[in-house]
Amino acid sequence: QQQVKQSPQSLIVQKGGISIINCAYENTAFDYFPWYQQFPGKGPALLIAIRPDVSEKKEGRFTISFNKSAKQFSLHIMDSQPGDSATYFCAASKGNTPLVFGKGTRLSVIA
Amino acid sequence: DTGVSQDPRHKITKRGQNVTFRCDPISEHNRLYWYRQTLGQGPEFLTYFQNEAQLEKSRLLSDRFSAERPKGSFSTLEIQRTEQGDSAMYLCASSYMPPDGYTFGSGTRLTVV
Repeated sequence: QQQVKQSPQSLIVQKGGISIINCAYENTAFDYFPWYQQFPGKGPALLIAIRPDVSEKKEGRFTISFNKSAKQFSLHIMDSQPGDSATYFCAASKGNTPLVFGKGTRLSVIA
Repeated sequence: DTGVSQDPRHKITKRGQNVTFRCDPISEHNRLYWYRQTLGQGPEFLTYFQNEAQLEKSRLLSDRFSAERPKGSFSTLEIQRTEQGDSAMYLCASSYMPPDGYTFGSGTRLTVV
């Protein structure tokens, strides 16, 4: 079964707009929730991560919002730029166990 | 520190042949992970090592797959008797303090013809 469900599969946003990608999880034991960015031909790169003791974390234009009761977390990209066009993956893990990834969202930022 | 290196970047092999991939992690990282990624999907966990010990293997890892990490440094992933369904990107990642700080390599793209 898929442990982390990500939506949408693809997203087109105008330059300067806000990109929002959502993830839902089932396992309440998960305690670490990162987002990864992947460009074609490259491996995923850590973008930003959050733990369940906070509801929001912001790093530059990237923000994670976390809703523990709803078992959901989302990535917001403010002032989206063409250079943000990539595939984004949410992931989750509990303790020291390996990360489980969502299926990804392909973001296209158009001018 | 040049990041996580994977070799080769691309591999084309005939069905039934054996292939071996290599991963060189960041030197101070004690954990090393192998993931598989198919087109349009997220990375799927295969196996991981802490130092030289293989701690977990996914059910995805059939007995045709074997991984090693001798001396806790580089790792190899071998696929025996390759099948077309093995065609994928094989990603290696390393970390020091899990789960923080996974650093992925650029992957080895395997095509089985």
